[in-house]
Amino acid sequence: EAQVTQNPRYLITVTGKKLTVTCSQNMNHEYMSWYRQDPGLGLRQIYYSMNVEVTDKGDVPEGYKVSRKEKRNFPLILESPSPNQTSLYFCASSPRGAPDTQYFGPGTRLTVL
Amino acid sequence: AQKVTQAQTEISVVEKEDVTLDCVYETRDTTYYLFWYKQPPSGELVFLIRRNSFDEQNEISGRYSWNFQKSTSSFNFTITASQVVDSAVYFCALSDTGRRALTFGSGTRLQVQP
Repeated sequence: EAQVTQNPRYLITVTGKKLTVTCSQNMNHEYMSWYRQDPGLGLRQIYYSMNVEVTDKGDVPEGYKVSRKEKRNFPLILESPSPNQTSLYFCASSPRGAPDTQYFGPGTRLTVL
Repeated sequence: AQKVTQAQTEISVVEKEDVTLDCVYETRDTTYYLFWYKQPPSGELVFLIRRNSFDEQNEISGRYSWNFQKSTSSFNFTITASQVVDSAVYFCALSDTGRRALTFGSGTRLQVQP
């Protein structure tokens, strides 16, 4: 089944404790993105990647890192999480021919205490 | 800069009523795409429709219909004979060919009461 998977789905952590949210897609898509969803703000893009080893900042990149060492994986790294990063996070992938048609993962709900 | 406005924060209707969710967008691009997504209480994002800026034909899919009006920069979504299962947050989104991101509206929460 074609899908985007994220792990973990739920995470509660404390300020300053480094964490990684994994994202994997099995559709051989070139493009991958991370979004965060906050009440009243919709979804906002954090980072995106157009291919292996090619990443760029989205609208709200502060406090996040990403890497794209393999085509299928695009982990989101929070080196020192803070409470304002409490949010619902979505990973998405899209094919080169239709980069705007994004397939979303199930979401990761992160709480930073 | 691109912008998507969903002025209706929350709408409550009774089952079988028709409901229209408004979406107004801003872009300087001549080629762009518009989307609607549904987010049920379980939290996932469900793709509903993708429409390109050159196709102004209205679209109907079962109880769902979309009205795209380029002249007013609107892409409204109507649910006919609403059902309780339609209760969700609905997002309108915009993409242009140059970016690798969707610009989302803030969402409209639809509550359908039995």
